[in-house]
Amino acid sequence: QLQLQESGSGLVKPSETLSLTCTVTGGSISSGAYSWSWIRQTPGKGLEWIGYMYHNGPTLYNPSLKSRATILVDKSKNQFSLEVTSVTAADTAVYYCSRGPPGSGLFEYWGQGILVTVSS
Amino acid sequence: DIVMTQSPDSLAVSLGERATFNCKSSQSVLYRSNNKNYLAWYQQKPGQPPKLIIYWASSRQSGVPDRFSGSGSGTDFTLTISSVQAEDVAVYYCQHYYETPPYTFGQGTKLEI
Repeated sequence: QLQLQESGSGLVKPSETLSLTCTVTGGSISSGAYSWSWIRQTPGKGLEWIGYMYHNGPTLYNPSLKSRATILVDKSKNQFSLEVTSVTAADTAVYYCSRGPPGSGLFEYWGQGILVTVSS
Repeated sequence: DIVMTQSPDSLAVSLGERATFNCKSSQSVLYRSNNKNYLAWYQQKPGQPPKLIIYWASSRQSGVPDRFSGSGSGTDFTLTISSVQAEDVAVYYCQHYYETPPYTFGQGTKLEI
């Protein structure tokens, strides 16, 4: 059964870089053509799609993050990651990783989420 | 960006009653070349991630009880729970996945018993 698990620092200082990793078990990130996404949730803005990557396709991002987000894959570890630079308090959120059909913004499988707080 | 607007913000029903959730998109999410509506519904219980329950506006995800159904086309969509059970207490979100991102979610409707 496919499972996704987020990990990373739960506390980040303003202006620094948020770094998270999603570990995939029960399936290979290299096999099949799926979309691997990051989504975040805040009480104020609700659910916000951050971006996705998919096999042999471009990595796409939400313009709302103003080019601060980067999604990378480490196939050897069956993981994909998210970095968000120059964070502010507005980046405080629960961050989820997700898998969906190829090139699709449909989110079929979700990790449990990780709370990231931006504070000095 | 396509704006998704849900109504009502909260809904209180009795056990066994019907619950109806509305979702409106600021532009059509119907892709005419395949006649599919790129609209999904998610259920989120406290402390859990969202769970996909409906896609293509009316297709139930595997394992979702048949009391959940989706309908609508173009810009107006509805999620219906035919007979609400205690375990259905959650926040329900609609989301479009039409063409080019960004993919956006509605603000959610909270279901209470």
